[in-house]
Amino acid sequence: DQQVKQNSPSLSVQEGRISILNCDYTNSMFDYFLWYKKYPAEGPTFLISISSIKDKNEDGRFTVFLNKSAKHLSLHIVPSQPGDSAVYFCAANGMEYGNKLVFGAGTILRVKS
Amino acid sequence: DTAVSQTPKYLVTQMGNDKSIKCEQNLGHDTMYWYKQDSKKFLKIMFSYNNKELIINETVPNRFSPKSPDKAHLNLHINSLELGDSAVYFCASRQSRGTPGGYTFGSGTRLTVV
Repeated sequence: DQQVKQNSPSLSVQEGRISILNCDYTNSMFDYFLWYKKYPAEGPTFLISISSIKDKNEDGRFTVFLNKSAKHLSLHIVPSQPGDSAVYFCAANGMEYGNKLVFGAGTILRVKS
Repeated sequence: DTAVSQTPKYLVTQMGNDKSIKCEQNLGHDTMYWYKQDSKKFLKIMFSYNNKELIINETVPNRFSPKSPDKAHLNLHINSLELGDSAVYFCASRQSRGTPGGYTFGSGTRLTVV
């Protein structure tokens, strides 16, 4: 039972354009959401997060939007750069869920120059 | 200056063998985790230790036994390895009273059972 879903296995975007990565979740006990970036042969590295009490969090080129009623979040990267090419994992956790990070399957982002 | 280090990075072994993966963190975190990334690329939690105490134990075969000699180390021992154990295993750490995120991952150990 996938509680965090990333339905797009891959995304290809031209350099300079916007990348939008989507994530859906099913468990209403989640109250914190994170995006991790992963390069081959490396561990996931934290990118940006958002609390369930907010609907937007911005950090430089990266913005995460949360729609609680739809149980949906998205990561916007603008402008996209070739170095952004990686696997992006959506993750969720919550104190009532034992603070366990639950990950989606990841989306491969390719930024073409 | 690696924050979370795992050894070995690659491990190829035969079915039935026993092997260990080691993890060390120098971040001063009090909680450590083992995650498994399977062939479908999902990262799934296996175990979590807080100050050497087991706090999360997901549905994992008892052939897998974590050991935490101190809060900076969390090792994973696997007995009687099976083909299905082939995966990438990630160690992670965080400070339990920090931000709900705040997880730092190691670079992974790719285990191949032949």
